[in-house]
Amino acid sequence: DVKVTQSSRYLVKRTGEKVFLECVQDMDHENMFWYRQDPGLGLRLIYFSYDVKMKEKGDIPEGYSVSREKKERFSLILESASTNQTSMYLCASSLGQGTSGKYEQYFGPGTRLTVT
Amino acid sequence: SQQGEEDPQALSIQEGENATMNCSYKTSINNLQWYRQNSGRGLVHLILIRSNEREKHSGRLRVTLDTSKKSSSLLITASRAADTASYFCATDPAPGANSKLTFGKGITLSVRP
Repeated sequence: DVKVTQSSRYLVKRTGEKVFLECVQDMDHENMFWYRQDPGLGLRLIYFSYDVKMKEKGDIPEGYSVSREKKERFSLILESASTNQTSMYLCASSLGQGTSGKYEQYFGPGTRLTVT
Repeated sequence: SQQGEEDPQALSIQEGENATMNCSYKTSINNLQWYRQNSGRGLVHLILIRSNEREKHSGRLRVTLDTSKKSSSLLITASRAADTASYFCATDPAPGANSKLTFGKGITLSVRP
C-alpha cells in the first residue's frame, strides 16, 4: 500500500514565522502535490513536482515555495506566514511523470495549520 | 481553476437507501475520478473512469460518465453510516501532456443510522 505521511497533523504558528510542511511518500512516485483545502472552496493546487528539483506552480502559488531534493520528499514552505494561510494542507503523490491527471492520487492525512 | 462541480452540495439519507451524487464539468476530459474524504482526513481514491468508458463498478459504487452532457454520477447502493463523508469529483482535462487533476468543491453525505 502507498503511504503518504505529513510531518504534523496540527500546527500553530505566529504571523511572520517561516513554516515548513514536510511530506514523504514510500512508493517511488514521480509526481507530488501540495493542496490547500478551505470550506466552500474545495481543494486548490499550490505547487506540484514531477521530478527531483522540478516544480511547477499550481493555481495559488503566491506566498508559498517548495523544495524537492529527494524523490520521496516534497516540502512546502511559507516564507512569512500570514493569517490568510490558516488552512488544511494536503500532500499527494501519483505515478506518471508530468501526466499526473491520468493516475489516481494518494493523499496524506493533512496538516491543519493555524496562523495567529 | 476548478472544473468539476458536484451536485447537490449536501445530501442526507437513511441507512440502507441509495445515494446519488452528480458532477458536471465544462471542457473535454481524459478521465474523471471520484474521491472520498472522512472528516478531517486526507482524500481516498474511489474510482477512475476514462473518457471512452460509460460505466464502472466497484463494490457498492457505480459510476457513470456521459461525455455528451459533460457529467458523471456516483451511486452508492445500500448506504451505511460509515459512508458518511465528503465526496469529490476530479477531472483530468484534455488535451494536455502536463495535465493535472482539477477537484470540485465536494458533496457532504450524511447517512443516518
